[in-house]
Amino acid sequence: SAVISQKPSRDICQRGTSLTIQCQVDSQVTMMFWYRQQPGQSLTLIATANQGSEATYESGFVIDKFPISRPNLTFSTLTVSNLSPEDSSIYLCSVEDPGGRTATNEKLFFGSGTQLSVL
Amino acid sequence: AQSVTQLGSHVSVSEGALVLLRCNYSSSVPPYLFWYVQYPNQGLQLLLKYTTGATLVKGINGFEAEFKKSETSFHLTKPSAHMSDAAEYFCAVSDLNTGKLIFGQGTTLQVKP
Repeated sequence: SAVISQKPSRDICQRGTSLTIQCQVDSQVTMMFWYRQQPGQSLTLIATANQGSEATYESGFVIDKFPISRPNLTFSTLTVSNLSPEDSSIYLCSVEDPGGRTATNEKLFFGSGTQLSVL
Repeated sequence: AQSVTQLGSHVSVSEGALVLLRCNYSSSVPPYLFWYVQYPNQGLQLLLKYTTGATLVKGINGFEAEFKKSETSFHLTKPSAHMSDAAEYFCAVSDLNTGKLIFGQGTTLQVKP
């Protein structure tokens, strides 16, 4: 299993500013994922972050808006830049089972999320 | 491409009653299917998963789900609801090409005393 510490747990930000969310894992993991959960909607994958390479972004998400760092196998950050009210969401960090990656992500572990409100 | 549809964004049951949360998927290949639960102010937690083998899958907290290929469904059930089951439940399918999880829109379960 994996224990994920995500912070901040919540924040209220002004329009035009940025928020950086940190994700710390108690085990080394190859792949880390960042999801967004907009109010009343499902989880949407923003990007996949592998250590030592640039993050891979899903359709509709760009690096300028959501820069990601992955300096080592236990840590990642997601920055939400130039905030607007539409960015108000829960952002979740997720990792694969560090016990061994399967071909189909049989098990993902999730952080408790960061609830962002943009005024 | 795979997709997931959860029927009913909000389900309300009485304590002790049957819980049924519906999930239908579309996939061109045999899918891997998951149910996650999110309790208030907590991260997602895996309830159960179907990969291969027995189509009736038992998970934690008394939940189970049955994979029905003919109906492209993976409904979640529990015979008797408990107040502690109140949470949001997500059905997900794994994209076998990329390994990414694709989530349904979630169903909020309310349990009334």
